[in-house]
Amino acid sequence: NAGVTQTPKFQVLKTGQSMTLQCAQDMNHNSMYWYRQDPGMGLRLIYYSASEGTTDKGEVPNGYNVSRLNKREFSLRLESAAPSQTSVYFCASRRGDTYGYTFGSGTRLTVV
Amino acid sequence: AQSVSQHNHHVILSEAASLELGCNYSYGGTVNLFWYVQYPGQHLQLLLKYFSGDPLVKGIKGFEAEFIKSKFSFNLRKPSVQWSDTAEYFCAVNALGGGFKTIFGAGTRLFVKA
Repeated sequence: NAGVTQTPKFQVLKTGQSMTLQCAQDMNHNSMYWYRQDPGMGLRLIYYSASEGTTDKGEVPNGYNVSRLNKREFSLRLESAAPSQTSVYFCASRRGDTYGYTFGSGTRLTVV
Repeated sequence: AQSVSQHNHHVILSEAASLELGCNYSYGGTVNLFWYVQYPGQHLQLLLKYFSGDPLVKGIKGFEAEFIKSKFSFNLRKPSVQWSDTAEYFCAVNALGGGFKTIFGAGTRLFVKA
């Protein structure tokens, strides 16, 4: 089925470790997004990519980097994980402003 | 800066009761408005959206929402809830000319008693 695929689904990291969250969409959407979801705070935008070759910071970019590898793939990297980055991470894509997001199934990350 | 406020953090209803979840946003320009639903353990799914035209929009599973521009509101309604509507509901706003960023409210957890 068409959609957004995220890997891994679960991850436990030690403080200071690095990791990359992978995201791919097969709907030919131009824009892709990384959000984190924390209890009582809704979803907060980390980074987004309006089109292939561009990336921009969202509300909470500190401690993260992204790569828009091609039109399909948009990865999120934690260079040195901190306990404050314990969260559920969602990748999303959409066709345009008047369309809703299609979300991936999420990555539950715990940093100890 | 844009912001989205959802008034109720937790709502408990019995089956067949009517539902209204409040959402207000702050932005003076043209907006696109969305409601998403997140069932337990799942990702967010789009319930409905408004970007122009009839301010009363209908979505999936019997949900509807009304855009009242003068009140900066986009409340979600359902005449009769079911146990399967137990989920968290998020209002979201995307301002035209605000780039590609969508702002989400903090969410409302709905629990429907069977």
